[in-house]
Parts: sequence; structure tokens; C-alpha cells
Amino acid sequence: EAGVTQFPSHSVIEKGQTVTLRCDPISGHDNLYWYRRVMGKEIKFLLHFVKESKQDESGMPNNRFLAERTGGTYSTLKVQPAELEDSGVYFCASSLSGRSYEQYFGPGTRLTVT
Amino acid sequence: SQQGEEDPQALSIQEGENATMNCSYKTSINNLQWYRQNSGRGLVHLILIRSNEREKHSGRLRVTLDTSKKSSSLLITASRAADTASYFCATDGRDSSYKLIFGSGTRLLVRP
Repeated sequence: EAGVTQFPSHSVIEKGQTVTLRCDPISGHDNLYWYRRVMGKEIKFLLHFVKESKQDESGMPNNRFLAERTGGTYSTLKVQPAELEDSGVYFCASSLSGRSYEQYFGPGTRLTVT
Repeated sequence: SQQGEEDPQALSIQEGENATMNCSYKTSINNLQWYRQNSGRGLVHLILIRSNEREKHSGRLRVTLDTSKKSSSLLITASRAADTASYFCATDGRDSSYKLIFGSGTRLLVRP
């Protein structure tokens, strides 16, 4: 069974540009989460989807970040326009319904904003 | 300070030695989990301990949980160079089990 996949693995963009990160959860997992680790600090929750619906986006830092999960399958996280402080590793995770704490993480996307 | 703080921040040991990492948290939890992140790779789930459990073993890993002190420890016995990684504890709360709260992690270096 394929795990959570993320694309790209690494992205380097200039300040002010737009970047879109993609996450493909494990097949059958209704729950999808985004987290990020900035500047070697703790990994922080960004938001949670149940199927295509946003259940909790309390961790989204500001309105430059937009997450979508059309059709309840893969998800995208767009940063527009990117700022220097957005640099970090963005993780996606998924879980089965009823086992939201048992999250399987992807390899992450390392975003570098210069 | 953050929920799920790990201690120490960095640990360097010789292969074959044991490594102990600690984690403290602030609120009531359902579960506490430990994850490992190898350089450039994703988070790998190591072990989960429920709030009503006190100790759990998995291979060379031993996790303890003290809910009265809101702390947990991860012991890796007979360490190997391949254990070199960052280790994170993560908690999920009673009111938001989907939102894992991570600490800043412990960087473990196992010298061959």
C-alpha cells in the first residue's frame, strides 16, 4: 500500500512568487492534515480536512495560505505571495475516520523562499 | 513555551549506548506518540502510548508516561548509527484528537 506522497520534495522560490504544494493521502483516508516546521522549530498544525471539507484551519498563519481538497482526494496548499518566513518543511498526513490521532506522514516538502 | 517540549535538544552518544529523551506537555491528553525524522525524510511513527498506560515496549524502544507529571520518556537501547535522527513527541488532546501537538524535538547523533 502506497503511503502519503508529497510533491515537490523541494521548492526554491523568490519572495513574492507563488508556490503550490501537493499531497496525496493514503487511499481511503478521509482525514488529511497539513503541518509545517519552520526554522527548526516545532512542527505545527495548519489545518484538517475531512473529505473535501475544512474542519479546522485554525493553524493557517494568514490569508496568503490557501488549502484545497477538491473531490476529497488529494490536497493542495498554495502560498501566494511567498514571504521569507514561509521557508520550512511542510508535512502532510492522513488518517482513517475514527482514528484521527493515528496519522501517517508524508516525506514533506522543503520550501525555501529567497 | 510549547506543548510537547523535548529534552535534551541534542544528544550525542556512542554506538551501543542507550539514549533517553524526555518530553513534557501541558494539557490533558488522549495519547502520546513518538516520531522519528531522518534527515530530509518524513516523520516515521515509532510508538503510541495511551493516557491510561504507563509503559510500552517495541523492540529496542521503551516509552514511559507519567500523566501526573505530564511527561514521557523514550529510551532507545543498544543504539545504532542508523538511529541518528530527530525525535519528536506528539500529543493529541481530549477535545481535538486530530490536532497533534509536537515539541521541537531532540536531535540524536549516534557515533559509530
